[in-house]
Amino acid sequence: QKEVEQNSGPLSVPEGAIASLNCTYSDRGSQSFFWYRQYSGKSPELIMFIYSNGDKEDGRFTAQLNKASQYVSLLIRDSQPSDSATYLCAVKGNQFYFGTGTSLTVIP
Amino acid sequence: NAGVMQNPRHLVRRRGQEARLRCSPMKGHSHVYWYRQLPEEGLKFMVYLQKENIIDESGMPKERFSAEFPKEGPSILRIQQVVRGDSAAYFCASSQEGFSSYEQYFGPGTRLTVT
Repeated sequence: QKEVEQNSGPLSVPEGAIASLNCTYSDRGSQSFFWYRQYSGKSPELIMFIYSNGDKEDGRFTAQLNKASQYVSLLIRDSQPSDSATYLCAVKGNQFYFGTGTSLTVIP
Repeated sequence: NAGVMQNPRHLVRRRGQEARLRCSPMKGHSHVYWYRQLPEEGLKFMVYLQKENIIDESGMPKERFSAEFPKEGPSILRIQQVVRGDSAAYFCASSQEGFSSYEQYFGPGTRLTVT
């Protein structure tokens, strides 16, 4: 079992819709959870982090964490074509573990 | 304020040669992390270093790979006797605090191609 699992996608949503990205992790001792955005050929860029159960909102982005279910998600409201990228979920236990990423395409 | 810098951006090596990848952390950051990204496999943690110390190298292959972060100068990831399977993007990230810090900033990466 991989430490962090994400649906690879591709996920396509129309402009203005909500994009929902999901991630599960295997280590119950994981402490911190992160979402990175990576454009093709570029380096990952941190967009959200969350430590506590519940929701955390930052602009159009909301991270949701459920430690009991070992599940973390990212919601992008009012999706824009510029949001089209691969979104990497990262989990910190003893190490940082990254998922393989979900490819998101926002269709104008 | 310059971000994390990596060079070279692209590196081509023949099988059996050595590859040296350099990473200069952001100003004020003293913690460096190296990751490898293969197509379809996501980012894989390799090693975490502070100045003059390797803190965690549990993701580093046991042979041919080494890393250092000297007191002066950039961090170096060294791959000896490269093989085709080493072809990948190698990213460096830095942070101000330690591994518990939530803010790792990534450099642009070095794309290594082994021919």
